[in-house]
Amino acid sequence: EADIYQTPRYLVIGTGKKITLECSQTMGHDKMYWYQQDPGMELHLIHYSYGVNSTEKGDLSSESTVSRIRTEHFPLTLESARPSHTSQYLCASSELGQGDTIYFGEGSWLTVV
Amino acid sequence: AQKVTQAQTEISVVEKEDVTLDCVYETRDTTYYLFWYKQPPSGELVFLIRRNSFDEQNEISGRYSWNFQKSTSSFNFTITASQVVDSAVYFCALSDYFGNEKLTFGTGTRLTIIP
Repeated sequence: EADIYQTPRYLVIGTGKKITLECSQTMGHDKMYWYQQDPGMELHLIHYSYGVNSTEKGDLSSESTVSRIRTEHFPLTLESARPSHTSQYLCASSELGQGDTIYFGEGSWLTVV
Repeated sequence: AQKVTQAQTEISVVEKEDVTLDCVYETRDTTYYLFWYKQPPSGELVFLIRRNSFDEQNEISGRYSWNFQKSTSSFNFTITASQVVDSAVYFCALSDYFGNEKLTFGTGTRLTIIP
């Protein structure tokens, strides 16, 4: 079983609020990812990181930002939430090699009202 | 560009029936990796299998089996003697060099097992 944790699991906030979704993994993985998934839809990569101080934008443009100050921690921040940000956000991690299995957290369901 | 197609949007079968979920992929790379993930209603993605492009042997794990055919660029997943707990959305995914080793997901197949 993967040791990757996300908090909060569920969050309802008002428009304009700043929020941070936390993600931590205890596997020592260098690569970490954030995927966004609308209900019943496919997953889209929004951010990824190869290691400390590395952050890259994914295939889907997102107004969120990420940071990677510690290997095990990859938080995602929305400075000013909007209803269009309502979605599930899935954090994941893997080792550095090509094709290494990506393990996912349980997801954070965000609703912006 | 890499692409994964899961043409079956939804499938419903009666419990104990066998069911096959289709996955077709496109890639320019000769070395790539294919995955299947299960997403139950709770939302987390559960890793099921990883297969590299050089290993075309079919794999069986309990009631699950996977058929990888490079000639047709397919990586199909069969559940034998389905159970209600198999109800979930199943995603096929591809990781290749040209995708910068990130996972490209298909749109998923929602499987419902009717008791």
